[in-house]
Amino acid sequence: GESVGLHLPTLSVQEGDNSIINCAYSNSASDYFIWYKQESGKGPQFIIDIRSNMDKRQGQRVTVLLNKTVKHLSLQIAATQPGDSAVYFCADRPHGSGTYKYIFGTGTRLKVLA
Amino acid sequence: GAVVSQHPSWVICKSGTSVKIECRSLDFQATTMFWYRQFPKQSLMLMATSNEGSKATYEQGVEKDKFLINHASLTLSTLTVTSAHPEDSSFYICSAPDGLKTEAFFGQGTRLTVV
Repeated sequence: GESVGLHLPTLSVQEGDNSIINCAYSNSASDYFIWYKQESGKGPQFIIDIRSNMDKRQGQRVTVLLNKTVKHLSLQIAATQPGDSAVYFCADRPHGSGTYKYIFGTGTRLKVLA
Repeated sequence: GAVVSQHPSWVICKSGTSVKIECRSLDFQATTMFWYRQFPKQSLMLMATSNEGSKATYEQGVEKDKFLINHASLTLSTLTVTSAHPEDSSFYICSAPDGLKTEAFFGQGTRLTVV
C-alpha cells in the first residue's frame, strides 16, 4: 500500500449485501499482502492474507483478489453485517524489506446500513 | 492466538514532558517489533523497527532523539516520546510477528494527547 495521508474514503453498504473494498499498491516487488480491520480506538486485526503467487484466496465470508498486472488488491465481504463496520487497510510487504515490515494503504471506512 | 499488549491505552501529558509506551508480546517471543503512528482518519505510518539487543531502525523523517526505542528483552519494546509537544499527539501502535505465523499481530494502540 502507499499511504498518502488523505482522508479515508467511505463505502456505505446495506446490511446483507456484499461489500467490495479496493486497494492499489505501488511496489511491484511486494510478495505478500494482508487485509486488516481496524475498529475505532483499537489496533488493526488480521482478516486475510495472500501471497503474490496466488490470484484469489477465500476465508470465512471474505475473499481477497490480487491482480499483479495492475497492482490491485480487493477484499470482498459476503453478507455484510453491522459488526463489519470499521476501517479496512491493505498492507503489502516489499520483497527483501524484512519479513514483517508492512506498508499500509490509505484505508477505507465501511459503513453498514441497517 | 498470539497477543500483543500495549500500555497505557491512553495518556495525557504536559508539553515538554516525556512519555513511555510499552509493547509486550504475551505468549510468544519477538526479536523484532514495529512502531506505527496514526493520525485521525489516516493510515498507519511505520516509524521504526525495534530490534532486540541492538539499535532500532528508523524510517526516513522520524527523529531518533525524539522517539527513543528500547527493546531490552524478547517480549518487551518501549517507545519514549521525549519532550512531547501537541503535534506529537497521535495514536501509537506496535506490532510484533509471531515467528510461527505469517502475519504480524498488533497491540490495541496508545492514544497520546499532549496539552
